[in-house]
Amino acid sequence: DIQMTQSPSSLSASVGDRVTITCRASQSISTYLNWYVQKRGKAPKLLIYSTSNLYSGVPSRFSGSGSGTDFTLTISSLQPEDFATYYCHQTYSSPQTFGQGTRLDI
Amino acid sequence: QVQLQESGPGLVKPSETLSLTCTVSGYSISSGYYWGWIRQPPGQGLEWMGSTSHGGGADYNPSLRGRVTISVDTSHNELSLRLRFVTAADTAVYYCGRKGNYAYDYWGPGILVTVSS
Repeated sequence: DIQMTQSPSSLSASVGDRVTITCRASQSISTYLNWYVQKRGKAPKLLIYSTSNLYSGVPSRFSGSGSGTDFTLTISSLQPEDFATYYCHQTYSSPQTFGQGTRLDI
Repeated sequence: QVQLQESGPGLVKPSETLSLTCTVSGYSISSGYYWGWIRQPPGQGLEWMGSTSHGGGADYNPSLRGRVTISVDTSHNELSLRLRFVTAADTAVYYCGRKGNYAYDYWGPGILVTVSS
């Protein structure tokens, strides 16, 4: 299985901050990397697919980059609604796997 | 718009079979894409359980050691999950989702299933 490791596991930030979350794959996954956000008690929501493509309706302050084994999710200016948990997800090979999550707190 | 809704028992006894249904509206399963189940134990991360398409040919996570079956019922536009021989470790929120071309773009709200006698 491809292991997905996110860093940091948790992060404290303030409204207006620029934040970067990293996801590292245990082997190359090309650009088959997605990002989701999950708020407490809710289902995850798709933010970015295929490394850098913003899903419909997602604000432009979110962006993604990377390829191979190293990927990043950047939030350019944190808004109050962005405080949540973020997961990366690879679909390069089966079984699909998720990172352990990054909790973003105020 | 596309909506998914999980349903089934919220409590299952150890060693029994967990059975869930995901009802899809706003999109016909037979039109395409893959449909899967992802679960999340309380306070933990996400685990992909498996997925299938309307044409069959399901793909499963080997970590479930052959206990899982995922299928679609196109006549009712439903996705189903069966997980046999459950233990307390299978206690989780279970989500169904549609995998678009690249990622899970639609999710159900999730259903908590507790395994306990």
